[in-house]
Amino acid sequence: DGGITQSPKYLFRKEGQNVTLSCEQNLNHDAMYWYRQDPGQGLRLIYYSQIVNDFQKGDIAEGYSVSREKKESFPLTVTSAQKNPTAFYLCASSTVQRSYEQYFGPGTRLTVT
Amino acid sequence: AQTVTQSQPEMSVQEAETVTLSCTYDTSENNYYLFWYKQPPSRQMILVIRQEAYKQQNATENRFSVNFQKAAKSFSLKISDSQLGDTAMYFCAFLPQRESGGGADGLTFGKGTHLIIQP
Repeated sequence: DGGITQSPKYLFRKEGQNVTLSCEQNLNHDAMYWYRQDPGQGLRLIYYSQIVNDFQKGDIAEGYSVSREKKESFPLTVTSAQKNPTAFYLCASSTVQRSYEQYFGPGTRLTVT
Repeated sequence: AQTVTQSQPEMSVQEAETVTLSCTYDTSENNYYLFWYKQPPSRQMILVIRQEAYKQQNATENRFSVNFQKAAKSFSLKISDSQLGDTAMYFCAFLPQRESGGGADGLTFGKGTHLIIQP
């Protein structure tokens, strides 16, 4: 089955540690996106990538980093510089030409204590 | 930059009733897409309906329809014959439409409306 996977579903870390969230897709999509969801805030764009080895900052990129070494994978690192890392993180993908058809993964709930 | 505003944090209606969720947006773009997404308790994002700004006809998908008023920058969602399974968070979202080869963009979301369908 084609789709987007995010693992793990729940992730717990201690404050001050970097943590990397996984996002993999087998839809042959060039574009991939990371969104953050907080209660009462909706989804906000962190980073997105349109092609391998290239990515752009979204609205709330501070404290996050990404890489795009493979078309299928777009991992997000939440660094210790992120002041409020506890949130629900959603990954999405699309073709570049049809970014109006973004497919979402199931999300990862990150809790930092 | 664009903004999306959903002024109803929560709504509750009886099963089988019709409910309308409101969304307004602000943008300087002339060509764009508008969306309604549903997020049930599983937290999976599900596309409900999409509207292209250049199309005057309002989009419909079975029990879901929109009232798109481009001049007023308003994009409401009407759910007819509401069902228990419609209980979810609903998000309005915006995406600029790029020229062919113009690249991809991320979605801009509103803060959501929690819709509760009562039995």
